[in-house]
Amino acid sequence: KQEVTQIPAALSVPEGENLVLNCSFTDSAIYNLQWFRQDPGKGLTSLLLIQSSQREQTSGRLNASLDKSSGRSTLYIAASQPGDSATYLCAVLNTNAGKSTFGDGTTLTVKP
Amino acid sequence: EPEVTQTPSHQVTQMGQEVILRCVPISNHLYFYWYRQILGQKVEFLVSFYNNEISEKSEIFDDQFSVERPDGSNFTLKIRSTKLEDSAMYFCASSDTSLEQFFGPGTRLTVL
Repeated sequence: KQEVTQIPAALSVPEGENLVLNCSFTDSAIYNLQWFRQDPGKGLTSLLLIQSSQREQTSGRLNASLDKSSGRSTLYIAASQPGDSATYLCAVLNTNAGKSTFGDGTTLTVKP
Repeated sequence: EPEVTQTPSHQVTQMGQEVILRCVPISNHLYFYWYRQILGQKVEFLVSFYNNEISEKSEIFDDQFSVERPDGSNFTLKIRSTKLEDSAMYFCASSDTSLEQFFGPGTRLTVL
C-alpha cells in the first residue's frame, strides 16, 4: 500500500527566502507525481506534474524534482512571497487507472 | 482558462438521506475522479471513471456510493443513505491523457 509523507508539516520563512518542501513515498512503482497548492477552505490548484520518466519540472519560481529509486520528490520555491502562503500537497499516481495517494501537506507561511 | 466546476458549494442533509453532488469537468477531458477530505485530514481517493465505467475505486467507495455521467458534460456522485461520517469536502477532478488532475472548488457536505 502506497504511503506518502511530507516534511516538514509546517514552515515559516521571511519573504525572499528560498525553500524546499519534501515528499517521500514508499512504493517507487509510480505513474507520475503531482504537486498542488491548497488555500484554506478551497480546492486544489495544480502546480507541477512530473511523469515517472522525468527528473524535474519547472514553472516560474517553482522547481520540482523526482527521484523514483529513493522514493523522493522536492518542491523548490525561489524568492518566496507572502502570496505563496498556503498548504502544499504532493500526490502520487500509482497506476494509469487514476488512484492518487496524497500526503498530509506542508503548511507554508511567508512573512512580509 | 477552462476549469472544473461543482455544485452545490455546500450541502446540508439529514442522516439517511440521499445526496447527489454534481461536477462539470473540463470539456475535452476524458478521465474523471472523486476525492474527499474530512476536516483536518488527508485528501482521499474515492473513484476514477473513464469511458463510461469505473476504472478504480477505494475501499471507502462501498455500495452506498455511485457515480454517473448522465450526459456529455456532467459527472455526479450519489450517496444513497448518508451517515454522519460522510461529512467532508468532496472534490471532483478531471484530466486529459497526460493524467494531470485538475480539481474543482469542492462541495462541503454536512450530515446532521
